[in-house]
Amino acid sequence: GDSVTQTEGPVTVSESESLIINCTYSATSIAYPNLFWYVRYPGEGLQLLLKVITAGQKGSSRGFEATYNKETTSFHLQKASVQESDSAVYYCALGMQQGTGSKLSFGKGAKLTVSP
Amino acid sequence: GPKVLQIPSHQIIDMGQMVTLNCDPVSNHLYFYWYKQILGQQMEFLVNFYNGKVMEKSKLFKDQFSVERPDGSYFTLKIQPTALEDSAVYFCASSFLDKQYFGPGTRLTVL
Repeated sequence: GDSVTQTEGPVTVSESESLIINCTYSATSIAYPNLFWYVRYPGEGLQLLLKVITAGQKGSSRGFEATYNKETTSFHLQKASVQESDSAVYYCALGMQQGTGSKLSFGKGAKLTVSP
Repeated sequence: GPKVLQIPSHQIIDMGQMVTLNCDPVSNHLYFYWYKQILGQQMEFLVNFYNGKVMEKSKLFKDQFSVERPDGSYFTLKIQPTALEDSAVYFCASSFLDKQYFGPGTRLTVL
């Protein structure tokens, strides 16, 4: 089946340092999956951070970036300079190419703690 | 932004009893989902639902599970009877197209 493997937490980074959370995927039933990063801030529900549906493209949001690399089947999340407010749990996920109504497959999540 | 609500936030129940988990989706959404997360594991898809029908269910969606959304009210997940392995956090999601909005989860503890 389809699966996602990502850096598992906890990940601790000092404020203003750079961050990378690794994500690789295996999509046996989908040739070109849609790729997502979701984030859960403390006390809140899971929310979409960014999404990329085309191989080779980069998505960005709130200073975070991720590039869809079909050759290495990776979708690593990066940020050049993190802030305390970025402390949260980050989940990599994949979905069907024609994604309306279809399921998502998630990684285990990486808990990021940004220290002041 | 749009919010999905889940009621209750925590439910403790004895094995063999019935439980209903409630989800209040975003008002104009058309697709509804349930996911299950056991402690320390990834969130896994259970079922999705559209136009009054189940679209797809995973192998985790046992015969004891059922979903419904009568007349546009809550989207519910019913487990009857419950088993110890049903202890998990259950997340509801809804979408208009492919962007899913998630609720905060219901923690189910089966004793």
